[in-house]
Amino acid sequence: GAVVSQHPSRVICKSGTSVKIECRSLDFQATTMFWYRQFPKKSLMLMATSNEGSKATYEQGVEKDKFLINHASLTLSTLTVTSAHPEDSSFYICSARESGTYSNQPQHFGDGTRLSIL
Amino acid sequence: SQKIEQNSEALNIQEGKTATLTCNYTNYSPAYLQWYRQDPGRGPVFLLLIRENEKEKRKERLKVTFDTTLKQSLFHITASQPADSATYLCAPGGGDSSYKLIFGSGTRLLVRP
Repeated sequence: GAVVSQHPSRVICKSGTSVKIECRSLDFQATTMFWYRQFPKKSLMLMATSNEGSKATYEQGVEKDKFLINHASLTLSTLTVTSAHPEDSSFYICSARESGTYSNQPQHFGDGTRLSIL
Repeated sequence: SQKIEQNSEALNIQEGKTATLTCNYTNYSPAYLQWYRQDPGRGPVFLLLIRENEKEKRKERLKVTFDTTLKQSLFHITASQPADSATYLCAPGGGDSSYKLIFGSGTRLLVRP
């Protein structure tokens, strides 16, 4: 159980393109999902907390107009990288925590999206 | 600011030995600490959670300790196997009553056959 599906797994596109990444919880409901960015051999950096039915909470230094987050249902959150540029190239990972559980419950991660902007 | 430190150098051990990974944190008082495993090109997978009032937690060949005085957690893998080779991430959380986790940079473990 507790499977999170992230799609697409890899994207290569031209500079200026907007890219949408989907994160789905397949067998549980997730009121809260998280979006991370990971550079090679570095840790996961939290970008934002996605809350179902309300606005996302962004971490300091993350441009909310650049990284649009929508969490319209209890099983789906999307991250759109708008007008992507080469510096946005990275590994983006989402996670979800099951609704109605204690705060210390683990996060379930997707397998990430490798974004390459040419 | 909050800081989570894990050994940046890879840990290279012989199969069958015990691997010990360290996680230190500063400027933070987590209510719990989680350990994850991450394989190349994949998302992290949850392994163990230990709460602030627990000294030690075990699961099969895994053992985690949590010393809130030293602000440190140790992660042990006994009878290590080549399949245990991966990057291990510690993630303290709950210090600000939110659901957020703060991840360390991870320690890469390589178990030689």
